[in-house]
This record gives sequence, structure tokens and C-alpha cells, in this order.
Amino acid sequence: DAMVIQNPRYQVTQFGKPVTLSCSQTLNHNVMYWYQQKSSQAPKLLFHYYDKDFNNEADTPDNFQSRRPNTSFCFLDIRSPGLGDAAMYLCATSRDLTSGEIVQFFGPGTRLTVL
Amino acid sequence: GEDVEQSLFLSVREGDSSVINCTYTDSSSTYLYWYKQEPGAGLQLLTYIFSNMDMKQDQRLTVLLNKKDKHLSLRIADTQTGDSAIYFCAETNMNTGFQKLVFGTGTRLLVSP
Repeated sequence: DAMVIQNPRYQVTQFGKPVTLSCSQTLNHNVMYWYQQKSSQAPKLLFHYYDKDFNNEADTPDNFQSRRPNTSFCFLDIRSPGLGDAAMYLCATSRDLTSGEIVQFFGPGTRLTVL
Repeated sequence: GEDVEQSLFLSVREGDSSVINCTYTDSSSTYLYWYKQEPGAGLQLLTYIFSNMDMKQDQRLTVLLNKKDKHLSLRIADTQTGDSAIYFCAETNMNTGFQKLVFGTGTRLLVSP
């Protein structure tokens, strides 16, 4: 089945220790998104890739970076995690708007704990 | 900027109907969505409605859109204990060239036997 996969599902890191979260997709979608969802809050868009073009939201901290080496994979790098970065990180994909499809598909998320 | 609001909590008995409400501020919203999130899981798309529609029905789900009042609702008929989850309303407009979703705060639905 075509899907969005996130690894690992649970990640524990230490304060200040870089961490990378992974997302892959078999949908062949050209747009990939990373959201941050803190406890009891709505998901908040951090950035997205439109093909190879990276688009950062204005209020996304510099501590968060992303890489997309190919269509299928996208990584979220947190350079120096703080306690406030503990959250669920959700990856999503979609086709671009010219396709006429208007739905985002979400992965199961990675829950990040910062000690 | 865009803002999407929902009530935080709804409790119903199994077999009753549930109605979850959402209001939004962006008058240029083109699509509105309902997502379901179970504990520790990602977001599951339930249904969506285009802004030129008033209503959409999909099995037990009915979506009503009042564009004048910027009000969206999700009705779940014959609610089951498996429907217990957090429900997020989201809106997007296509003017940005990509699909930027703005989510509401989420409504926690608790279904008791």
C-alpha cells in the first residue's frame, strides 16, 4: 500500500544533542511537509519542500533544518534540541495544486523526548 | 492571519449523534477538512468540503458549511466508542501555490458506553 512512513516512532535525545527524524513516502508526491505538534495543541507547519525547493515558515526557529535527497525521503534535523522541542513531529505529503488533488497524507509521527 | 477555533471537549453516549463545530476567519479558504487523531498516532483524513458546497455526506459523516458565518460542522451519526479521538478542523486556500493547512485547536470527543 502506498503510504507515508516515519522512523523512528519514538526518539529520545539529550539536551543539545543533534537529532535527525526520517520520513519516506511511496506515493511519489512532489510536496513534503514537516509539522510540529506539542501536547494538546494543533499541528504547526515548520517547512515544506516543493520538489527540491525548500520553503521555511517565517516563525520556524533556525535550530530546525531539513534535507530532501530525493523524491521519496525527507529528513528533519534539530541541531541543538531544547526541552521546548519535545513534541510529536508529523510528516505529510501531497501533490502540487496543478494536479487537482487537494489532500495531504500524514505519517504516524515521531514522538521526540528531550532529556 | 488565519485563525481556526474549535470547542475543546465533547462527551456523548454510544449511539447518539455527535456534532463538532469549527469557525474560521480566512474568507479566501477554498477547502475545509476534518482530520481524526487517535492517541499517539498521526492524522487521518475523514472528509473535506469545497467552499462552494453547503453540505457533504459520507456514510456516518455529514459536513455542513456556512460560508457566510465561516462556520463548519461535522456530524457523526450513531457514534461508537471507536470514534473517541481528537478531531481537527483545518482550512487551506490555494492562493499560496501549495497546500498550507491551518489547523484548529482540536476537539476531544469522548464516547461512553
